[in-house]
Amino acid sequence: QKEVEQDPGPLSVPEGAIVSLNCTYSNSAFQYFMWYRQYSRKGPELLMYTYSSGNKEDGRFTAQVDKSSKYISLFIRDSQPSDSATYLCAMTTDSWGKLQFGAGTQVVVTP
Amino acid sequence: NAGVTQTPKFQVLKTGQSMTLQCAQDMNHNSMYWYRQDPGMGLRLIYYSASEGTTDKGEVPNGYNVSRLNKREFSLRLESAAPSQTSVYFCASSETGQLTEAFFGQGTRLTVV
Repeated sequence: QKEVEQDPGPLSVPEGAIVSLNCTYSNSAFQYFMWYRQYSRKGPELLMYTYSSGNKEDGRFTAQVDKSSKYISLFIRDSQPSDSATYLCAMTTDSWGKLQFGAGTQVVVTP
Repeated sequence: NAGVTQTPKFQVLKTGQSMTLQCAQDMNHNSMYWYRQDPGMGLRLIYYSASEGTTDKGEVPNGYNVSRLNKREFSLRLESAAPSQTSVYFCASSETGQLTEAFFGQGTRLTVV
């Protein structure tokens, strides 16, 4: 069983809708949680990170971490076609940056 | 501001051939990583280097070797390529001990036939 589980999608939504993405994990030692966005044929780029449990908001993006349920979420409000990409969750037990990734969810936002 | 640069971008190898993937970063980061990305598997860590002069195995090291040439450069070598090594390879770097933000290169698409 993988340490980090993520539904690969694809997830198709109309422009303006809320996109809801999530990951579950099994290692309770994970403390740092990240979301990366990866456009086709590009490297991943950091979108958001959170430490421990709680919510974090950045513009149209909100990341949530529920350590008691071992569940993290990313919400994208007012989605745009430019949000079409693969979103990868990642997490690590320490600050050394050795990340454990989910498989990634492909998101398609249609005009 | 180049960030993390990988060469080559594309490569086709025959089974049994060898090659080295090059990676260089200009952000003065201590830590560097090699990942491979396969459909449905996400990114899996092959090797990492926490600091200059050190390297450690990741999740899927078999069939690979690495060299941390200096602080800037971290290379990945396939000694005898196999079709199972067909993948997209990403190099990344991060500042050890601080925010765990890894900066990624653009990737190398490798096909082994």
